[in-house]
Amino acid sequence: AQTVTQSQPEMSVQEAETVTLSCTYDTSESNYYLFWYKQPPSRQMILVIRQEAYKQQNATENRFSVNFQKAAKSFSLKISDSQLGDTAMYFCAFMEGSGGSNYKLTFGKGTLLTVNP
Amino acid sequence: EAGVTQFPSHSVIEKGQTVTLRCDPISGHDNLYWYRRVMGKEIKFLLHFVKESKQDESGMPNNRFLAERTGGTYSTLKVQPAELEDSGVYFCASSRLQGNYGGYTFGSGTRLTVV
Repeated sequence: AQTVTQSQPEMSVQEAETVTLSCTYDTSESNYYLFWYKQPPSRQMILVIRQEAYKQQNATENRFSVNFQKAAKSFSLKISDSQLGDTAMYFCAFMEGSGGSNYKLTFGKGTLLTVNP
Repeated sequence: EAGVTQFPSHSVIEKGQTVTLRCDPISGHDNLYWYRRVMGKEIKFLLHFVKESKQDESGMPNNRFLAERTGGTYSTLKVQPAELEDSGVYFCASSRLQGNYGGYTFGSGTRLTVV
């Protein structure tokens, strides 16, 4: 079974600065996807960024980028130029590819990020 | 398009009572998923519907939980009788395609507190 570990329960950052959230995972699969989801207070959870394991290039989405280290099974999220609206719970998640595990997402416990003005 | 709607947003019930949570997926999304986050722990998969059929219910904790999706539209998740350990946030998500490479649309969740 896969596991996802987020070792930072809480983090804070000053507005406009850069912050990195850590995530490690464990799997014996070779084909899989990794995700970062964001849930602002009392709002729905949304997909921030996605990485296919077979791609060596790190995914980027505007101010959000990942550092995907496949051999180390590490998948960290970097948020540049942090904004107050980035305050949220961030979840790292894993999904087997090709329908393995019936497309279930395996989540970490989450990191609560607070952006301070 | 309207998002995934869940209600109630909050529910506080006494141990032994029954609660029914509802999820309205995005119109046209055949795949509907239920997840749960118990305080301080990971979000865990409960079950997956494809239209009205249960594709995978391996995450359902026990037979006190009953999920339905009549007509392949909205889904309900009933807990009867509720126990203290059922407290948590229940998330619903939907997608047009199975898996959809993780691009699910999630609802805001229902926070259930059993006292």
